Amino acid sequence: DSGVTQTPKHLITATGQRVTLRCSPRSGDLSVYWYQQSLDQGLQFLIQYYNGEERAKGNILERFSAQQFPDLHSELNLSSLELGDSALYFCASSMGGSYGYTFGSGTRLTVV
Amino acid sequence: DQQVKQNSPSLSVQEGRISILNCDYTNSMFDYFLWYKKYPAEGPTFLISISSIKDKNEDGRFTVFLNKSAKHLSLHIVPSQPGDSAVYFCAASVGGNQFYFGTGTSLTVIP
Repeated sequence: DSGVTQTPKHLITATGQRVTLRCSPRSGDLSVYWYQQSLDQGLQFLIQYYNGEERAKGNILERFSAQQFPDLHSELNLSSLELGDSALYFCASSMGGSYGYTFGSGTRLTVV
Repeated sequence: DQQVKQNSPSLSVQEGRISILNCDYTNSMFDYFLWYKKYPAEGPTFLISISSIKDKNEDGRFTVFLNKSAKHLSLHIVPSQPGDSAVYFCAASVGGNQFYFGTGTSLTVIP
């Protein structure tokens, strides 16, 4: 157990729908990062939050949004889902600085 | 634009031999590099890191080499063990914040 908890582990939904992925960071970590891993792709950075505020944005679609709550858990909202959104979505947390990330085990989203 | 590239999608090595995984990057501002290991159905786990002030970092069987002029880093695993079979990702950052990941290399260690 890495200490980063992601729910749900699996999600199957239809095109056009909206889903919410949840992440609880490791205790003491203030930063949360969301990554997407599609088939044959590396980990694509989506967005970072630090202590409740958006810190950095990567290749995140406008249909996607995220937030970090006062208790530091984060949610990634994916709307108007398309088949191409099917992927593994990873959350990672860190204390900040050059300590690297601790990843959760991911949420596998399948859009049918 | 892929700033971190792992050009070998897969690698097979005999148990006991050396595994060499390669990674290239394009951004000369990157100053901190990590290697992650990923087993199926699990999230990536941190393996080893190196900062740009060093050219080598060693941790047990794992050694990472950094060639800044070539914008290249490599991970050496000696000796390779079947339990090392996994996908390995390299990642790079400026200042240790947002990390850019490569596409991964799937290592198979043959007993």
